[in-house]
Amino acid sequence: DAGVIQSPRHEVTEMGQEVTLRCKPISGHDYLFWYRQTMMRGLELLIYFNNNVPIDDSGMPEDRFSAKMPNASFSTLKIQPSEPRDSAVYFCASSLSLQGGQPQHFGDGTRLSIL
Amino acid sequence: KQEVTQIPAALSVPEGENLVLNCSFTDSAIYNLQWFRQDPGKGLTSLLLIQSSQREQTSGRLNASLDKSSGRSTLYIAASQPGDSATYLCAVDQGGSEKLVFGKGTKLTVNP
Repeated sequence: DAGVIQSPRHEVTEMGQEVTLRCKPISGHDYLFWYRQTMMRGLELLIYFNNNVPIDDSGMPEDRFSAKMPNASFSTLKIQPSEPRDSAVYFCASSLSLQGGQPQHFGDGTRLSIL
Repeated sequence: KQEVTQIPAALSVPEGENLVLNCSFTDSAIYNLQWFRQDPGKGLTSLLLIQSSQREQTSGRLNASLDKSSGRSTLYIAASQPGDSATYLCAVDQGGSEKLVFGKGTKLTVNP
C-alpha cells in the first residue's frame, strides 16, 4: 500500500507569494494531520481532520494559514501571503485512530523556503 | 499543557553497544506513547506504540517501556548497528485526544 504522499518535496518562493502544499493520505485512514518542523520549535501540530472535517486548528499560527480537505484522499495547506519565518519542513500524516492504538504515518514532507 | 523532553539531544556510540534513549512528559494523563525514527530529509517512521494499559512493547532489537506515574519512557536498542543512526522522537497524546505532542528528539550516531 502506498504511504502518505506529499507534493511538492521542495518549494522555494519569494515573500508575499501564495504557497500551496498537498497531501494524499493512506486510503482508509480517518484522520489527517498537518505538522511543521523547525530546528527551534521541533515538530508542531498545526491542524487535524477527522472524516474530512477540521477538528482542531489551534496550532495554526495565524490567519495567513488555511487548510482544507475536500475529500478523503486529498488535503491542502495554504499560506497567503508567505513570510520568511514560514520557512520549515511541513509534514502530513494520517492514521486510523491513535486512541484505537493505531500509529500515525508520515509523508516525506515539503521543505519550504521563503526568500 | 503537555511538554515532552528527550535527553540527551545527541548520542554517539560504537557499533554493537546496547543503548537507552530517554523520554519524559509532564502530564501523566496519556493514553498512548509513540516512538518514531527520522532519517535526514525524510518523514517519521513509527517504531513502537505503547498504550497506557501496557508497560512495554518490543519489535526486533527495540524495546520501549512506559511508566505513566513517573512520566517516563525509554527506548532500548540492543546490539546497535550503523543503520540505526537517525533521530529518534518520542510523542504522547494530549489529554486522550488524537493530538500528539513531540519531544525534540535524540540524534543517534552508531560508529562502525
